[in-house]
Amino acid sequence: AAGVIQSPRHLIKEKRETATLKCYPIPRHDTVYWYQQGPGQDPQFLISFYEKMQSDKGSIPDRFSAQQFSDYHSELNMSSLELGDSALYFCASRAQGKNTEAFFGQGTRLTVV
Amino acid sequence: TQLLEQSPQFLSIQEGENLTVYCNSSSVFSSLQWYRQEPGEGPVLLVTVVTGGEVKKLKRLTFQFGDARKDSSLHITAAQPGDTGLYLCAGENYGGSQGNLIFGKGTKLSVKP
Repeated sequence: AAGVIQSPRHLIKEKRETATLKCYPIPRHDTVYWYQQGPGQDPQFLISFYEKMQSDKGSIPDRFSAQQFSDYHSELNMSSLELGDSALYFCASRAQGKNTEAFFGQGTRLTVV
Repeated sequence: TQLLEQSPQFLSIQEGENLTVYCNSSSVFSSLQWYRQEPGEGPVLLVTVVTGGEVKKLKRLTFQFGDARKDSSLHITAAQPGDTGLYLCAGENYGGSQGNLIFGKGTKLSVKP
C-alpha cells in the first residue's frame, strides 16, 4: 500500500540558506500535517492543511512557510536557516473524518551547519 | 494550550516484566491515540480511544481512556525486547470535522533480554 512519501530523506544546509521539504500524502488523504522533532524531543506541530487551505498553525517560525498544492502534496519552505532548525521533519496525512489514523512519512533529517 | 504529560520519561526493564505508561492532561480530549516510534522513523499508530472509560487490548498491550477523557494509560504485559521504542500519546480536540494531534513528550522504553 502507498505510504506518505517525504523528500529528501536527508538534507544538509549552511546557516542562512533556504530549504524546501516535500510531502506526498497517501492517495485520497486531504489533510497534511507538518511536525518538527528535535533530538530526544516529542514531535512539535508546525502547520496543517485541509483541502489545500491552511487549517491550523502551531509553533512554526515566521521564517518558515508552507502550502498544499492542487494534487494535495505539500511543501515546507524554510529560509534563513539557523543551527536550531536541525531536526527531523515529519509529514503526516489523514483522511477526512473524526478519529482517523494519521500516517507519518519517514521524515526528512535536516542538518544545518 | 493543551498539554499532555507522559510518565515515566524513561523506563528500562527486563524481558518478562510488566509496565504501565501514563498520559495525563488538564484538558479534555475528544480522542487519544497511542503511537510507537522507532529511531529515525515516523510514529506508527497503535490504537485510538474515544469513549471515556474505554479499554482496548492489542495482544499484550492494554490501553485505557480515563472516564473524564483527560488521561490514558498503556499497560504492557510480559514485555519483550521487540517492545523497545518511544511510546507517544497524542490527543485530539476538534471543533469542526478534524483537529490537530498534540503529542506528549513520550516514554522511552528499553526492554533488556
